[in-house]
Amino acid sequence: GENVEQHPSTLSVQEGDSAVIKCTYSDSASNYFPWYKQELGKGPQLIIDIRSNVGEKKDQRIAVTLNKTAKHFSLHITETQPEDSAVYFCAASTGANSKLTFGKGITLSVRP
Amino acid sequence: GAVVSQHPSRVICKSGTSVKIECRSLDFQATTMFWYRQFPKQSLMLMATSNEGSKATYEQGVEKDKFLINHASLTLSTLTVTSAHPEDSSFYICSATSRAEKLFFGSGTQLSVL
Repeated sequence: GENVEQHPSTLSVQEGDSAVIKCTYSDSASNYFPWYKQELGKGPQLIIDIRSNVGEKKDQRIAVTLNKTAKHFSLHITETQPEDSAVYFCAASTGANSKLTFGKGITLSVRP
Repeated sequence: GAVVSQHPSRVICKSGTSVKIECRSLDFQATTMFWYRQFPKQSLMLMATSNEGSKATYEQGVEKDKFLINHASLTLSTLTVTSAHPEDSSFYICSATSRAEKLFFGSGTQLSVL
């Protein structure tokens, strides 16, 4: 089955700096890669996703890149703000209504 | 994005009682919903896949008689934790796939069994 690895487990950046979170996956059949932000005591919130037919997608301060050959994808957050502090999960699946396999999550702390 | 509503957000119950958690897709129909369990500072663990009009598919190690799932309509799935015990205390989260094939999560239910 699919295995999604997410490293490191914590990341601390200064407000205004960029943050990059990387994930790797094992199943070459995976074609959908969402990123979720989870704040304490809340459910995960979908912040951006990418499908395997594109290499990059951007939405304001957030971007995701995908390297299918190397089987890794990354979340890029520019101009970080304290409210970006949360746990971020990457995931992978093979398509519609398929199970998502999640990474272990990374705790991002943005220092004011 | 699509909205998934989950209730209650927090429940405290006595050991031996049953607790029902509701998950609704508010602005779309969801033929498939998923139920997850999450322990503190850990990732989401898939418990079962709920399919409208049919039996749920449980992940290995999840007791189907313990965690009853009913997906009676295209907008509602329920998870009932039967005869709850302290070890069932956890954060339970549902999710549903929208028409755009994106997975949206509910706000979660914190279950505390005394």
